[in-house]
Parts: sequence; structure tokens; C-alpha cells
Amino acid sequence: QSALTQPPSASGSPGQAITISCTGTTSDVGGYNYVSWYQHHPGKAPKLMIYEVTQRPSGVPDRFSGSKSGNTASLTVSGLQAEDEADYFCSSYAGSRYWVFGGGTKLTVL
Amino acid sequence: QVQVVESGGGVVQRGGSLRLSCAASGFRFPRNGMHWVRQAPGKGMEWITLIREGGTQRYYADSVKGRFTISIDNSRTTLYLQMNSLRDEDTAVYYCAKDFNWGFDSWGQGTLVTVSS
Repeated sequence: QSALTQPPSASGSPGQAITISCTGTTSDVGGYNYVSWYQHHPGKAPKLMIYEVTQRPSGVPDRFSGSKSGNTASLTVSGLQAEDEADYFCSSYAGSRYWVFGGGTKLTVL
Repeated sequence: QVQVVESGGGVVQRGGSLRLSCAASGFRFPRNGMHWVRQAPGKGMEWITLIREGGTQRYYADSVKGRFTISIDNSRTTLYLQMNSLRDEDTAVYYCAKDFNWGFDSWGQGTLVTVSS
């Protein structure tokens, strides 16, 4: 059981927008603005897509955006493209040099 | 190009030891740290350890504390994870990643550790 809760799957058609949630507690997601999101194609290296809730590393398309409300963070992918099909997971700093992760969401582009 | 490559995984008997390596190319490990993260079959990622400030500070998840040791070489281009007293639940793909603003960047493709009875 992962510390952060994500839906196991999500799907959308090309061009649509989808949102993936990541729910924690006041000890992690709700307590720090240090939520990150990753894209993971199986067998490949995970890629950082969002850090500090809303920030995009250089090179990440602006179709990817992050937000947070209370103990739930969200990743929105706008203008879905075929290459966005992957697993997405979140992480949060949880204090005292400890981090927690979500269980991951498999995104399918229909 | 910034990348890391993990190695050293394999099949090990319960109670045995294994040392994983993570070699960096295109950068030296940052002072704010390098992590090891693992993913057991069918499960989510689990943070297990962080080393920072040139190796002077080390932090561990309770699940591995006292059994695993993280270290770096003097050139700050190779990260290690010494794993002792391995248990069935340590079976996982192990990844190293760079600390980046309290998240994880520059992941490798991972190395698989299988603990066999």
C-alpha cells in the first residue's frame, strides 16, 4: 500500500485533457509544497515532469501542469498526444529527510 | 548528456549481501544529494536512502535502516548501495536519482535485485 493514493488508471482521447490526482495527508502533500510528478515508460528511466507542485523542468512541454489543494495534488495533461501514454507517479517530501510516493497511474491514450 | 547507470543487481539468497553501483556521466553528484529508490513487483516506488553534503549526511527508510549503507566515491561520480541481510521483501528494481528541489531527477533505468530462498 503506497503512502500516496493515485487512481490506478486514466484515459483520454488525443487532444483532450486529463487530470491525475495524488492524495496524501497533512504530513506530506498537505504539509509541504514539495510534490513532484514523473512519467515512466516501462523499462525506461522515469522522467521528472513537475516539481514543487507547479514547476516544470526545462524541456517539459507546457501541456503538463501541476496544482495542489489541501492534501491532494493533481497533474493535468492537456492536448493529449500518443506519446503521453505511460505510467505517472507522484512523490512528496514528508519531513525529516523522508519521501513518499504514490502507487502510479497508467495513462492510456485512446 | 546527464545520465546515471545502475548496475550490480542479480539473484541473491535470503540473508545474503549485494552491492549496487550508480555511475554518473555528464555531471558530479550534487551536494544536495543522491537517492536510492526501489520498486517491488506490482508496487509503487519506495524511497530508501539519501546521501548529501559529500557523504557526511546519510538518511534511511526504516525498512532498510541497519542493513543498507549508502556511500559515494571521492570523485563524486559513483554511488553505492551496500545491502546486507537481504529479505524477500527487498526484491525490487533499484533506481538511483539526483535530488532536485525535494524531488528526484536524472533517474537511471534501474537494476533488478531478486532475493531467493
